[in-house]
Amino acid sequence: QLQLQESGPGLVKPSETLSLTCTVSGGSIRSTYYYWGWVRQPPGKGLEWIGTIYYSGSTYYNPSLKSRLTMSVDTSKNQFSLKLSSVTATDTAIYYCARHASYSGNYGPTVPFDYWGQGTLVTVSS
Amino acid sequence: QSVLTQPPSASGTPGQRVTISCSGSSSNIGSNAVNWYQQLPGTAPKVLIYSKIHRPSGVPDRFSASKSGTSASLAISGLQSEDEADYYCAAWDDSLNGYVFGTGTKVTVL
Repeated sequence: QLQLQESGPGLVKPSETLSLTCTVSGGSIRSTYYYWGWVRQPPGKGLEWIGTIYYSGSTYYNPSLKSRLTMSVDTSKNQFSLKLSSVTATDTAIYYCARHASYSGNYGPTVPFDYWGQGTLVTVSS
Repeated sequence: QSVLTQPPSASGTPGQRVTISCSGSSSNIGSNAVNWYQQLPGTAPKVLIYSKIHRPSGVPDRFSASKSGTSASLAISGLQSEDEADYYCAAWDDSLNGYVFGTGTKVTVL
């Protein structure tokens, strides 16, 4: 059974960089048919797609976050990561890592997320 | 601000049918598959339906989806207490070159 687990600091100071890692177990991040992404949810609010990465390093970023966002993948550790710079209080959210599904020959960042991590709350505050 | 608009709330009594709408544009719903997610309180979202007809194993057929032009909808038939959750539509947006979620609808079982 595939499992995803987010890890990283739960508290980040304003103007600093938020760094999170997602560790994948029960499956390989190097699979041809799966892309990996991040989604966040401010407390009491809706979902926002952050970005998606392929094991080769190809990335797709939310245009509203692109200038501050860097995603990377470490296939040797079966992990992928995100870094969000110059954070403010509006970046306070539950951050989820997730896998894009693969079905009927369809795969990539356009298909839905089928496996999710439990989420980790990151608070931006001094 | 999301490009997919949903009503903030919907409700029904057990056994009723509830419908949730999702309004978008030609660059998202109009040209790509719509996905629907269910988020129970305190948990990660779960995909309910993707590409209109695909339902992951374990998702009851009480959940169905449809699409017309730049709008989509999710219907829950035979509403049950365990259906009380937040529901989100989502789709790829060709103009933004990104995945977009709807504003979310909270379903309450009266």
